[in-house]
Amino acid sequence: AQKVTQAQTEISVVEKEDVTLDCVYETRDTTYYLFWYKQPPSGELVFLIRRNSFDEQNEISGRYSWNFQKSTSSFNFTITASQVVDSAVYFCALSEGSRAAGNKLTFGGGTRVLVKP
Amino acid sequence: DTAVSQTPKYLVTQMGNDKSIKCEQNLGHDTMYWYKQDSKKFLKIMFSYNNKELIINETVPNRFSPKSPDKAHLNLHINSLELGDSAVYFCASSQDRLGTPGETQYFGPGTRLLVL
Repeated sequence: AQKVTQAQTEISVVEKEDVTLDCVYETRDTTYYLFWYKQPPSGELVFLIRRNSFDEQNEISGRYSWNFQKSTSSFNFTITASQVVDSAVYFCALSEGSRAAGNKLTFGGGTRVLVKP
Repeated sequence: DTAVSQTPKYLVTQMGNDKSIKCEQNLGHDTMYWYKQDSKKFLKIMFSYNNKELIINETVPNRFSPKSPDKAHLNLHINSLELGDSAVYFCASSQDRLGTPGETQYFGPGTRLLVL
């Protein structure tokens, strides 16, 4: 069975600090997909990134970067030079690669990031 | 030009009532989903449909019944509402033309349901 753990429930930083969100996953599939979503205070779920299990390259998008390490089953997310607008709950999610799994997303419990001015 | 839309945004109702939440996507996607987010922000899948066919049916009380009149719509009907049904319900869609796993799911704005 698939499982996603986000051990940090809440992180508070001061603006311009960097913040790293941890995500550890469990799956028996060799093919799987990892995602990050952002849920700002307004409540919608915003897609940030998708990664497949065969692509371990780290990715950078503006102030956001992701570190995928299969050896430790982790897919961590870093916000560099945080801003108040980054305040949100961030979810890591996993989809297994088999058709039987039906593209079911299993979410972690979320990490609330509070960026103070 | 909203990609995935849900109505209503808020729903307040009495225990025992029956209610429906509608979802529509204009992305041309083949698969649609319903997720439930509880008061602790935990998100869990309920159902998914691919081209009007039920694909995922998690352990959900049979008071919940999804209905997909076409691939652009997936509605959620809930009978005999209970206090524990209070949550935010999210609709999502993805492009899974051949049932390809791992496609990105795009979410609607959510429907906040409060059962009194």
